[in-house]
Amino acid sequence: QKEVEQDPGPLSVPEGAIVSLNCTYSNSAFQYFMWYRQYSRKGPELLMYTYSSGNKEDGRFTAQVDKSSKYISLFIRDSQPSDSATYLCASPYRGGGSNYKLTFGKGTLLTVNP
Amino acid sequence: EAQVTQNPRYLITVTGKKLTVTCSQNMNHEYMSWYRQDPGLGLRQIYYSMNVEVTDKGDVPEGYKVSRKEKRNFPLILESPSPNQTSLYFCASMGGGNVYNEQFFGPGTRLTVL
Repeated sequence: QKEVEQDPGPLSVPEGAIVSLNCTYSNSAFQYFMWYRQYSRKGPELLMYTYSSGNKEDGRFTAQVDKSSKYISLFIRDSQPSDSATYLCASPYRGGGSNYKLTFGKGTLLTVNP
Repeated sequence: EAQVTQNPRYLITVTGKKLTVTCSQNMNHEYMSWYRQDPGLGLRQIYYSMNVEVTDKGDVPEGYKVSRKEKRNFPLILESPSPNQTSLYFCASMGGGNVYNEQFFGPGTRLTVL
């Protein structure tokens, strides 16, 4: 089982909709969780990161972690056409020594239609 | 301006011809990493480096080499490229410790091996 699973979509919503993007993870040692946005032909950019459980809000974006169910969510309120992109979840794992890996989900392609 | 640069951006080469993709960051970050992105497989980590002279394998290191002689540079070397290394490559850097908000990706290098 891949350590971070993400529904690839695609997801298509009308402008103004609330978008819910979701990931699950399997490694109980994961403590930090990140969301990235990647526009076509561009590198990913970090949107938000959260530590352990709970919510974190930044403008129209809310990241949520439920450690009991190993579920990560990103909510986008009042979605805009400019939010159309691929969204990636990820978690870093710092093991012993120099082990410091970052594991990504496969990404969900979101299209917001005007 | 915080930046990760990669060169070249596009490269078409032939099987077996050694090549190097350069990566440089101007943020004095300790952590640097290389990823490849393929349709249906998402972002997969090739190698990462915790600091100068400290490197470790990611999930897909076969056929790649890296070096970290200076903090700002982290080149990716393909000694004998093969067609299955045709992919989109991203370099990334991240601040040390748990400074996850300082995280940047390069613009990508699209490599085609014939």
